Amino acid sequence: NAGVTQTPKFQVLKTGQSMTLQCAQDMNHNSMYWYRQDPGMGLRLIYYSASEGTTDKGEVPNGYNVSRLNKREFSLRLESAAPSQTSVYFCASSEGPSYEQYFGPGTRLTVT
Amino acid sequence: TQLLEQSPQFLSIQEGENLTVYCNSSSVFSSLQWYRQEPGEGPVLLVTVVTGGEVKKLKRLTFQFGDARKDSSLHITAAQTGDTGLYLCAGDSNYKLTFGKGTLLTVNP
Repeated sequence: NAGVTQTPKFQVLKTGQSMTLQCAQDMNHNSMYWYRQDPGMGLRLIYYSASEGTTDKGEVPNGYNVSRLNKREFSLRLESAAPSQTSVYFCASSEGPSYEQYFGPGTRLTVT
Repeated sequence: TQLLEQSPQFLSIQEGENLTVYCNSSSVFSSLQWYRQEPGEGPVLLVTVVTGGEVKKLKRLTFQFGDARKDSSLHITAAQTGDTGLYLCAGDSNYKLTFGKGTLLTVNP
């Protein structure tokens, strides 16, 4: 089992460019999450999907969109990247909203 | 918004020392999870505590959930360099997890 996989591992964007971060899990989990992690700020929830077909905003959703493509895949899109979106992005999944979360290895994004 | 305060923010100790880190809130949680994150990787769950007053041990790590289910502590006995990492607590309330900002532990040889 690969667990939670994320692509790409690293990305550099110019301000205004767009990109999609991909996430997939092979654990048949119902819930999936996108977080960003910045120094001194901990993990902040961007969007989550409690179950296939649903998505909800988290703490810091502005500037992002998500798609729960199917039960396995949950993507995060930056339509017009800004330097403030420079961060490490983690995808996670769990059986349900209160259960243990399994995290991917992260995507390090730099916006110049 | 449920807030979880973790202290200390940074801790640097020598191998063999004991330490305790704390996770506090003014809110009640139905459960609390502790994660460890190593550099360049995602967080990994260490333990979940559910009952007020509960104590769980994982080798040299002892986790306690406060009686009122508002706070938790993690005690490490005889720290090793392999314990180095970011320790995160996460509280579950209304089927949503809220993460603290973490304690960055460095264990020096």
